[in-house]
Formats: sequence, C-alpha cells, structure tokens
Amino acid sequence: DAGITQSPRYKITETGRQVTLMCHQTWSHSYMFWYRQDLGHGLRLIYYSAAADITDKGEVSDGYVVSRSKTENFPLTLESATRSQTSVYFCASSETTVGHRNYEQYFGPGTRLTVT
Amino acid sequence: GEDVEQSLFLSVREGDSSVINCTYTDSSSTYLYWYKQEPGAGLQLLTYIFSNMDMKQDQRLTVLLNKKDKHLSLRIADTQTGDSAIYFCAERNGGYNKLIFGAGTRLAVHP
Repeated sequence: DAGITQSPRYKITETGRQVTLMCHQTWSHSYMFWYRQDLGHGLRLIYYSAAADITDKGEVSDGYVVSRSKTENFPLTLESATRSQTSVYFCASSETTVGHRNYEQYFGPGTRLTVT
Repeated sequence: GEDVEQSLFLSVREGDSSVINCTYTDSSSTYLYWYKQEPGAGLQLLTYIFSNMDMKQDQRLTVLLNKKDKHLSLRIADTQTGDSAIYFCAERNGGYNKLIFGAGTRLAVHP
C-alpha cells in the first residue's frame, strides 16, 4: 500500500538493549523526520534527513542514531535504551521544497515504545 | 528561541464553535499549520496559512493569524463529536522544512 508505515507498532524492551524502529515511505519524498511525543511536550524532533545519506540532529537527538541509505527508509536506533526513551515515536516525510510550497509533512501511525 | 504554546484542554458543546489558540515566537516563520491527531493515530494536516495572510477559511475551519502578536487561532464552526481530538499548532522553521510543534490542545466535545 502507498503511504508511510512504521514497524513495529508496539515494542517493549529492557534498559540497555538496542532497538531499531523502522519507517518506510512509498512517495519518494526527499525529507524524512523522526519525532517523539510525550505528554505535555507535543512532538519534539529527534533527527531529520533531507535526502539519502544526509541526516542532521534535531532538538532531542542524544541516545539515538539514524541512517538513510535509501530514500524510502529511515530507521531510528536506540543504541542503549533508557526508561526516559519510553515514548510514542512518529516518522514523517515531505516532498522537496520545490513545487510543494506548503511543506506538508505526512505522518506514520506511530510506534509505542516502552523501556522497562 | 523557538517556542510554540497552546492551552492544553478545551471543552465545548456539540454544535457550538471551538476556538483553539496558539502563540509562537519566531517572527520569521513562513508557514503555520494546524494538525489533528485522533486517538491512536498519527497527525493529519488540517490546514495551514502562509505568513502574509491574515485569514484562511476552509469549510468549517477558519484560521486567523496576527503576525504582530504572533498569535494563531483555529475556529471550528458547528463542532461535532468527530472533532474530538488533539490539535497541534506548528510553525515552519529553517531551510530544512523543520516544524516546531506546540504541546497540543485536547478538544472534548460533549452533547
């Protein structure tokens, strides 16, 4: 199906484990983003990518790693999970700024991660 | 710095109008957005406004922008139970299409 998907939708892991959240989009959008959503904070940007092999940190990037070897995939890895990383994680994508001037971001359904 | 603020909760009666308010700090923001999040789902763009506009209307939705006060509002006319959700205000910041989100306003619609 076309769109943006995330997997897994739910994940429980233990402190100290490495966990990878997957994001896949079928639109060939240039931009991709990872956010986390916590009560009282709204969405905070973890990492973003302007194109394959181009990534940059957002405001809450500590403890996270991303890669973008292919345009359609943007995995997010927690290298050593901590309880403070319990959150709902959203991936988003948007078209390049040329020709899409409203810069809409399209969001995936989210991954609920619990670190015990 | 960059900051977007919203009240956290709004309760309205079905059929009334809802007004959700937002303030932002970055005067260079070019686009401002309203996203809707239903329970267990991702965010969906409701509407947006370009910074050189004062108002935008889209069916039951009216967006008002006061650039001088850096204030954005979303009015939903004839609010229905299906409008119950969390509404996020966001501003576009920077050249990489980054969005800065508010904490979200939970809208509860009661009969």
